Amino acid sequence: EPEVTQTPSHQVTQMGQEVILRCVPISNHLYFYWYRQILGQKVEFLVSFYNNEISEKSEIFDDQFSVERPDGSNFTLKIRSTKLEDSAMYFCASSEGSTKIETQYFGPGTRLLVL
Amino acid sequence: GEDVEQSLFLSVREGDSSVINCTYTDSSSTYLYWYKQEPGAGLQLLTYIFSNMDMKQDQRLTVLLNKKDKHLSLRIADTQTGDSAIYFCAESFRYNTDKLIFGTGTRLQVFP
Repeated sequence: EPEVTQTPSHQVTQMGQEVILRCVPISNHLYFYWYRQILGQKVEFLVSFYNNEISEKSEIFDDQFSVERPDGSNFTLKIRSTKLEDSAMYFCASSEGSTKIETQYFGPGTRLLVL
Repeated sequence: GEDVEQSLFLSVREGDSSVINCTYTDSSSTYLYWYKQEPGAGLQLLTYIFSNMDMKQDQRLTVLLNKKDKHLSLRIADTQTGDSAIYFCAESFRYNTDKLIFGTGTRLQVFP
C-alpha cells in the first residue's frame, strides 16, 4: 500500500540554525500538508500546498517557515532560524485532491529537537 | 470557533469493548476521522464518517455520529493489547479550509 515517507526520523539542531524536513507524498496525490505536534499537545495545522503554491497557512506559519516542491516527488519544510519552541514532531500528509474523499494520509513524522 | 475535545485516558481489559468519545463545536464539518498513534509513530487513519451519516462499521470498529449533540464516538470491539495507542478524532471542512482540526487525543491502555 502506498505511504507517505519522511526523512530524517529525528533531527537535533542548535537554535538559530536552518533545518529542512523532507517528505515524499503518495505519488498520485495533489494536496500536501505539514502539521506539527509539540510534546503533549494537539496536532496543529501549519500549511497546505497545491499546484505549486501555498493554499492555506496557519498563524504559526510565519516568515521563518517555507515550503517547496523542488521536484516531482519531494515536498520540503524549511525553518530558517530555529527557535527552542520549534521543537516538535512534524508530520507531512497528502491527499488526492479529487472529487473523492479528501482523506489526508500522514507520514511517520520527523522529531525535531532545538537546543 | 473550531474546537475538538476528548477525554484523556481510557483503560480497558483485553476482550472488552472500548468506547472513545469526542465532542466538537463547529457543525459545518464535512468529514470526521479517527486516527491512531502508536508510541513514537505517525498518525494512522483508522476510519472516517461523512457528516451526514449516523453510523459506520468497519470490522471491529464502529463509528457513531450524533450531529445534534456534536458527539462522535469510536467503539472497538474485542479490544486487544495491540490496540493500546493514542486515538485522535479530527474534523475537516473541505469546502472552506484545507486543514484538519484535531482533538486532544485519548490514550487507550489495554491490560490483560
